[in-house]
Amino acid sequence: EIVMTQSPATLSVSPGERATLSCRASQSVRRNLAWYQRKPGQAPRLLIYGSSTRATGVPARFSGSGSGTEFTLTISSLQSEDIAVYSCQQYTDWPLTFGGGTKVEIK
Amino acid sequence: EVQLVESGGGLVQPGGSLRLSCSASIFTFSPYYMSWVRQAPGRGLEWVATINQDGREKYYVDSVRGRFTISRDNGKNSLDLQMNFLRAEDSAVYYCARGTNMGACPFDSWGQGTLVTVSS
Repeated sequence: EIVMTQSPATLSVSPGERATLSCRASQSVRRNLAWYQRKPGQAPRLLIYGSSTRATGVPARFSGSGSGTEFTLTISSLQSEDIAVYSCQQYTDWPLTFGGGTKVEIK
Repeated sequence: EVQLVESGGGLVQPGGSLRLSCSASIFTFSPYYMSWVRQAPGRGLEWVATINQDGREKYYVDSVRGRFTISRDNGKNSLDLQMNFLRAEDSAVYYCARGTNMGACPFDSWGQGTLVTVSS
């Protein structure tokens, strides 16, 4: 099983500032990495797939990068509506696995 | 917009059974792999099971293999999860999620989820 580890667990960022979230895989997942946004009471939302491709309707302030075992999700200018938990997921191999999540909050 | 609506959650005793359903609409259901993903209280997302387009390929996380069965009815645009021998650790919000036309894939649409509580 490929273990996904996210850091930090909680990230406090001022409005308008950059938020950088990390995701590490226990073995290479190539670029088969997705990011999701989760808000309380809402369905998870796909943000990024293929490590760096934004899903339909996702604002340009969200960007993804990385390959192999190290990945990054960047929110270039944090907005209040970006407060959420962000999870990464690998889809290179079964079982599909998610990271534990990074909670982004307003500083 | 894709719509996925889960139903069937509830309170069940350990060792009991429950059947979850997901009704899909606003998109053509049959070309897609479909999955169930769960989130236990205070925990992250956990993939549970995936089924291919014709129902012949099924994949399960080890912790539910042999207890849960995923199935689909393309004529009714529905996805099911039969859960038997339920354990306390199966308590979670269960989401129906759409994949792609490939097996291991990201999930581009999710339902709102249905809560399963396993407790005596």
